[in-house]
Amino acid sequence: SAVISQKPSRDICQRGTSLTIQCQVDSQVTMMFWYRQQPGQSLTLIATANQGSEATYESGFVIDKFPISRPNLTFSTLTVSNMSPEDSSIYLCSVVVSGTGLYGYTFGSGTRLTVV
Amino acid sequence: GESVGLHLPTLSVQEGDNSIINCAYSNSASDYFIWYKQESGKGPQFIIDIRSNMDKRQGQRVTVLLNKTVKHLSLQIAATQPGDSAVYFCAETPNSGNTPLVFGKGTRLSVIA
Repeated sequence: SAVISQKPSRDICQRGTSLTIQCQVDSQVTMMFWYRQQPGQSLTLIATANQGSEATYESGFVIDKFPISRPNLTFSTLTVSNMSPEDSSIYLCSVVVSGTGLYGYTFGSGTRLTVV
Repeated sequence: GESVGLHLPTLSVQEGDNSIINCAYSNSASDYFIWYKQESGKGPQFIIDIRSNMDKRQGQRVTVLLNKTVKHLSLQIAATQPGDSAVYFCAETPNSGNTPLVFGKGTRLSVIA
C-alpha cells in the first residue's frame, strides 16, 4: 500500500494570492493525479502529474491557474494561483499503486482551501 | 470538519436495514469500477471494486452489481450501521492502473438509529 501525506491539511487565503499544496508518497508510484472537490459536490479531475514532463490537464483547467510539478516518483505539488472565492474547495492527491483492489487507487486526506 | 455532500442526493435508512445506492455511468469503454466512502474531513476510502467482465462481486457486508447494458452500478450494504453514514461515490476508468478515475455524482447515506 501507499501512504499519502498532503500539506497543508487546510488553509484560509486572501484572494489574489497563491497556495502550493504538497503531496508526498511513501513509495514510488507511476501515476499521480490531482482532483478538486467543490463544496457539496463530487470529485473532478484537474490533471495527471507526469514525472519529468508537463502535466496533462483536463478540459476547463489550465496550467497558468493550476501549475503542477512532479520532480520524482514520490512527490508532486499543485499550485492554485491568483485565487478567488470560487477556488474554495477540497484539493486531493491520488496515486495508483497496484492498479486494482484496495491498494489500486489511493487518495490523500485532502487540502481544504477557503479563499476570502 | 469540512462538510462533504451537503447538496448531494440523500438516502435515509433505518439501522439494520439494507441499503442500495445507485450510480449511472456514461463511458461504455469503462473497464473498471470502484465504490468509495467519504466521511467528513477525509479523502475517499476504497470499499469494493469490479471489472467489466463480472456482473456481481461480494465483500464483507457489501455487494456491487454491474449492468453494462444500461451502464448502471449499484452498491448494496447489508445490515446498515451508524458507522456507514457517509457520502458514497462510484468511479470508473477505461484502463485500470493507467488512466485516472472519473467520479459519479455521489449519494449521502444517513443511518437512523
